[in-house]
Amino acid sequence: LAKTTQPISMDSYEGQEVNITCSHNNIATNDYITWYQQFPSQGPRFIIQGYKTKVTNEVASLFIPADRKSSTLSLPRVSLSDTAVYYCLVGAGGFKTIFGAGTRLFVKA
Amino acid sequence: DADVTQTPRNRITKTGKRIMLECSQTKGHDRMYWYRQDPGLGLRLIYYSFDVKDINKGEISDGYSVSRQAQAKFSLSLESAIPNQTALYFCATSDRTSGRAGELFFGEGSRLTVL
Repeated sequence: LAKTTQPISMDSYEGQEVNITCSHNNIATNDYITWYQQFPSQGPRFIIQGYKTKVTNEVASLFIPADRKSSTLSLPRVSLSDTAVYYCLVGAGGFKTIFGAGTRLFVKA
Repeated sequence: DADVTQTPRNRITKTGKRIMLECSQTKGHDRMYWYRQDPGLGLRLIYYSFDVKDINKGEISDGYSVSRQAQAKFSLSLESAIPNQTALYFCATSDRTSGRAGELFFGEGSRLTVL
């Protein structure tokens, strides 16, 4: 199971774009890259998933280079409500999903 | 109403007591999971079940047991609780037919304190 490395914490200000990069050097051919968001005392919530290149949805974009050894979650114009822990996961999903410590994002006014 | 419901949401108990955390889901998913989260750490998988007749140990199953009473219900038991089992417990579900590979849907958590 691929291990991921991401920054422990990041600070930002409202209205800025935030990019959180995750390293996953041992990603396997069948692995997807998935990001979850967790607010205090709540369960994680799926944000976005990708396999290669770029994926965009209504809340975020996910950039994956050709070698797939890293990925970047991009949150456009963050607000205070985006303060949360963001987890990068690599795997086939379900029981193979391993959550690391995540990145704590603090958005300041 | 929440799609994945956990009860109780908070529980304080004493060392040696038997505790059961219950999870029910209305999503119709076949797969259910129990995770544990400790402060500042990610989630660790305790047990998972692919259907009623299939139960599997996760990363940290020692000291825990589970029961899949029905497709929609998955219970976690601590036969004899100890203080280092104080944690936030999450139930999750997933659907093997989902277009998103293994997307997990989480309950709101059960905070357990063992004194």
